[in-house]
Amino acid sequence: EDKVVQSPLSLVVHEGDTVTLNCSYEVTNFRSLLWYKQEKKAPTFLFMLTSSGIEKKSGRLSSILDKKELFSILNITATQTGDSAIYLCAVDGSGNTGKLIFGQGTTLQVKP
Amino acid sequence: NAGVMQNPRHLVRRRGQEARLRCSPMKGHSHVYWYRQLPEEGLKFMVYLQKENIIDESGMPKERFSAEFPKEGPSILRIQQVVRGDSAAYFCASSPANYGYTFGSGTRLTVV
Repeated sequence: EDKVVQSPLSLVVHEGDTVTLNCSYEVTNFRSLLWYKQEKKAPTFLFMLTSSGIEKKSGRLSSILDKKELFSILNITATQTGDSAIYLCAVDGSGNTGKLIFGQGTTLQVKP
Repeated sequence: NAGVMQNPRHLVRRRGQEARLRCSPMKGHSHVYWYRQLPEEGLKFMVYLQKENIIDESGMPKERFSAEFPKEGPSILRIQQVVRGDSAAYFCASSPANYGYTFGSGTRLTVV
């Protein structure tokens, strides 16, 4: 059965810290891995990764995929209180339908 | 572009009643996905529709749940004879193709 596992499930840090969120997966027909940020509303898109070893960056956030070891990490540097959210990892393992399999999410709390 | 619009934002139903959740995709998007998020869990795929067709309903419970995406109008997720276990956040996403989608803000269903 296809599955996505995130760790840790929750994390509390102070402003300025750097955090690394992990996502491992097992799917049959990998097409892409996506990261989303969810506050009290819609999940908002962060990154889509399809190739191993190519880092994607957006400001203080970056992410990389390892298709050999079947995992991805999301890094956030110099964290701010506004980074507090649930971070969701999802894998498109459908082959062609675009159906996503989500991990449980990592709840990040950044304290002032 | 108003984004993916879901309504209502909050819905309260008594056990045994019917719940209808609506999703208007972004302009130009003909692919709609429904996901359910139970408390403390990640999003779980329910159904994937294109205009007038159900493409993949492998995540839909066999009974009481149905979905449609008519030629005109929003996509509807219908839950008949709701039970307490149906209480969850239901998210809709739309895309122009079978990847790269945008989520709506969700409908929070509470069954009392």
